[in-house]
Amino acid sequence: DGGITQSPKYLFRKEGQNVTLSCEQNLNHDAMYWYRQDPGQGLRLIYYSQIVNDFQKGDIAEGYSVSREKKESFPLTVTSAQKNPTAFYLCASSRGPGFNEQFFGPGTRLTVL
Amino acid sequence: AQSVTQLDSQVPVFEEAPVELRCNYSSSVSVYLFWYVQYPNQGLQLLLKYLSGSTLVKGINGFEAEFNKSQTSFHLRKPSVHISDTAEYFCAVTQAQNSGGSNYKLTFGKGTLLTVNP
Repeated sequence: DGGITQSPKYLFRKEGQNVTLSCEQNLNHDAMYWYRQDPGQGLRLIYYSQIVNDFQKGDIAEGYSVSREKKESFPLTVTSAQKNPTAFYLCASSRGPGFNEQFFGPGTRLTVL
Repeated sequence: AQSVTQLDSQVPVFEEAPVELRCNYSSSVSVYLFWYVQYPNQGLQLLLKYLSGSTLVKGINGFEAEFNKSQTSFHLRKPSVHISDTAEYFCAVTQAQNSGGSNYKLTFGKGTLLTVNP
């Protein structure tokens, strides 16, 4: 089955540590996205990538970093510079220009202790 | 820039009653519109989308939405809800491809929590 996988489902980290969230898709989509979801705030775009080896900052990129070395993978690193990292993180993908429908993964809930 | 306003943060209804979840958008160019549903601790699933053509769009699970360009609205409706429809619903907008831009970022509203009571 084609789809998007995110791992792990739940993640705990100590304050001051970096952590990397995994996102893999086998839909052969060109574009991938990372969103952060907080209660009552909807989804906010962190980073997005339209093609391999290229990515752009979204609305709330500070304290986050990404890479896009392979078409199917778009990992997100939450660095210690992110002041309030506890949130639900969602990865999505879309076919590319002209195809605006985004498909979402199941999410990773990150809790900073 | 584009924006989305979901007018109700919570909508409680009884089972088998009709429901309308309201969404208004703001954009200076033509848009595509989407409704997504999110069940607890899960990702988002597309309910329906408006790209062009008929302004009445039918989606999965018996939902439909009507695009009203003059009122810049895209309200979601279902004539009879079930307990299983309890979830959070998100309206989203992006620039249409024919608007001249290549921006296909989605802008989401803050969500409406639909609670269906027995």
